[in-house]
Amino acid sequence: AQKVTQAQTEISVVEKEDVTLDCVYETRDTTYYLFWYKQPPSGELVFLIRRNSFDEQNEISGRYSWNFQKSTSSFNFTITASQVVDSAVYFCALSERDTGRRALTFGSGTRLQVQP
Amino acid sequence: EPEVTQTPSHQVTQMGQEVILRCVPISNHLYFYWYRQILGQKVEFLVSFYNNEISEKSEIFDDQFSVERPDGSNFTLKIRSTKLEDSAMYFCASSIRDEQYFGPGTRLTVT
Repeated sequence: AQKVTQAQTEISVVEKEDVTLDCVYETRDTTYYLFWYKQPPSGELVFLIRRNSFDEQNEISGRYSWNFQKSTSSFNFTITASQVVDSAVYFCALSERDTGRRALTFGSGTRLQVQP
Repeated sequence: EPEVTQTPSHQVTQMGQEVILRCVPISNHLYFYWYRQILGQKVEFLVSFYNNEISEKSEIFDDQFSVERPDGSNFTLKIRSTKLEDSAMYFCASSIRDEQYFGPGTRLTVT
């Protein structure tokens, strides 16, 4: 069965520090998608990125970057030069697609606190 | 930018009462979903809906729950007889392909 593990429950950094949020997943499917969502204190879930299982290229978007490694079943998320506005809970999620399922399986989330 | 909307933002109900949570997905999206998040916990999948029928559901989505798309815009989640453990944030999401876009959620409090 599919599983997403975010071992870091809470991380606290000082503004301008770089921080990496870890995500390890388990699936038997060969086709799957990985996602990151941000949940700020206001509570909504904000889509950040989607990656499919056939695309291991790392991606950079501004201060955000993602490192997908199938060999270690990991999809880690790095924030460079963190800012107070980055404070939120970040969820990694998996969608298995061999049988056409679309349900997202979420990890338990990592709470990031960026101190000024 | 189009977004998913949900009403109400907060619903308080007594145990045993029926509640209906409403969602308006993004207009050209084809897939619709409900998730829930018990306070402080992870987000859990409930059900997905495509082409006017349920396409997937989780173990949580038992006979107490039902979904409907009563017209071309709304997507509803009904809980027939609420229990204390149904207290959670309920998120609606929609997608046209793979990225699911979430609404702001409805906080359901069962007393």
